[in-house]
Amino acid sequence: EADIYQTPRYLVIGTGKKITLECSQTMGHDKMYWYQQDPGMELHLIHYSYGVNSTEKGDLSSESTVSRIRTEHFPLTLESARPSHTSQYLCASSEPGTSYEQYFGPGTRLTVT
Amino acid sequence: QQQVKQSPQSLIVQKGGIPIINCAYENTAFDYFPWYQQFPGKGPALLIAIRPDVSEKKEGRFTISFNKSAKQFSLHIMDSQPGDSATYFCAARVSSARQLTFGSGTQLTVLP
Repeated sequence: EADIYQTPRYLVIGTGKKITLECSQTMGHDKMYWYQQDPGMELHLIHYSYGVNSTEKGDLSSESTVSRIRTEHFPLTLESARPSHTSQYLCASSEPGTSYEQYFGPGTRLTVT
Repeated sequence: QQQVKQSPQSLIVQKGGIPIINCAYENTAFDYFPWYQQFPGKGPALLIAIRPDVSEKKEGRFTISFNKSAKQFSLHIMDSQPGDSATYFCAARVSSARQLTFGSGTQLTVLP
């Protein structure tokens, strides 16, 4: 099993709150990703990083932001949560040289009331 | 075009049956086609993958069939078990691209 961790696993929060979803991996992978997944739906890439201080937006537009100050850590922040942000957020990482196999964390299920 | 189309959306089979999940793509630059398995409350995990230079790949009870001319690939699960009940995602990647493009997922239920 891949060593990639996400906290919290579940989060219920009110509109307008600032939240940070944590993602850490202990595999030394350079590449990390954030996906958004609605129940029973496909995964949409919202952010990715190729290494420290490297972040880019994915295919799906998102109001969230990310940072990559350390190789092992790739947090996602929502400055002001809204009900439309309710979803599951999955973090993943892949080895240097290829992004073919992505290792996923267990996800954070976010509900904004 | 980066889209990967997956069908069916859901599938129910009896134990021992052979569920088949299909995916189709348009972008001929795709050169890697993995399948991911996701159990409830877990993140997806790589199950099996194929490159377009082969027509079939088997790993245990899981087989990918690949038809390059039709731009289609499919996952077959032999002797399916209730423990195989999960959501399955196909995906594709262009070697020069930075991310995988996922299909919409198939929820498989294997009845005991």
